[in-house]
Amino acid sequence: DGGITQSPKYLFRKEGQNVTLSCEQNLNHDAMYWYRQDPGQGLRLIYYSQIVNDFQKGDIAEGYSVSREKKESFPLTVTSAQKNPTAFYLCASSRGRGSGTDTQYFGPGTRLTVL
Amino acid sequence: AQKVTQAQTEISVVEKEDVTLDCVYETRDTTYYLFWYKQPPSGELVFLIRRNSFDEQNEISGRYSWNFQKSTSSFNFTITASQVVDSAVYFCALGDAGGTSYGKLTFGQGTILTVHP
Repeated sequence: DGGITQSPKYLFRKEGQNVTLSCEQNLNHDAMYWYRQDPGQGLRLIYYSQIVNDFQKGDIAEGYSVSREKKESFPLTVTSAQKNPTAFYLCASSRGRGSGTDTQYFGPGTRLTVL
Repeated sequence: AQKVTQAQTEISVVEKEDVTLDCVYETRDTTYYLFWYKQPPSGELVFLIRRNSFDEQNEISGRYSWNFQKSTSSFNFTITASQVVDSAVYFCALGDAGGTSYGKLTFGQGTILTVHP
């Protein structure tokens, strides 16, 4: 089955720790995205990548980092510099080179809680 | 700047009622795309529909229908004969067709729909 997988489903972090969220897709999509969702709010774009070895900051990139070494993988690291990291994180991918015309398909999400 | 407004924070209906979710958008682009996504309690966003700005025909898919009116910048979503399984958060989103914001979708705040048996 083609799709997007995210792991882990739940993640707990102590303050001051960096954590990495995994996102893998087997849809052969060029573009991938990371969003953050807070309770009662819409999704906000953290980073996106249109092609391997290239990525761009979204609206709320501070305290986050990404890499895109392989087409199918787009891991997100939440660093200790992120002041309020507790949120639901969603990864998405789309077929084209990141045009707003493409439909984005989402993974099941990772819920991060800072203890 | 692009903006999407879903004025209805929460809607509660009884099964078999029809329900309309409102979406109003703002953009300066002449070419753009509109989307609806469903987020069930599991959390994953499920794609429902994509509509481009040049296609104002209404669309029906089973119990779902969409009314796109460019004149009022609205893209409303109606569920006919609602069912308990329709309970979810529904998001409207606006995507530009180019420029410097490749890949960016602007989401509304979402509408929580609860369908009671």
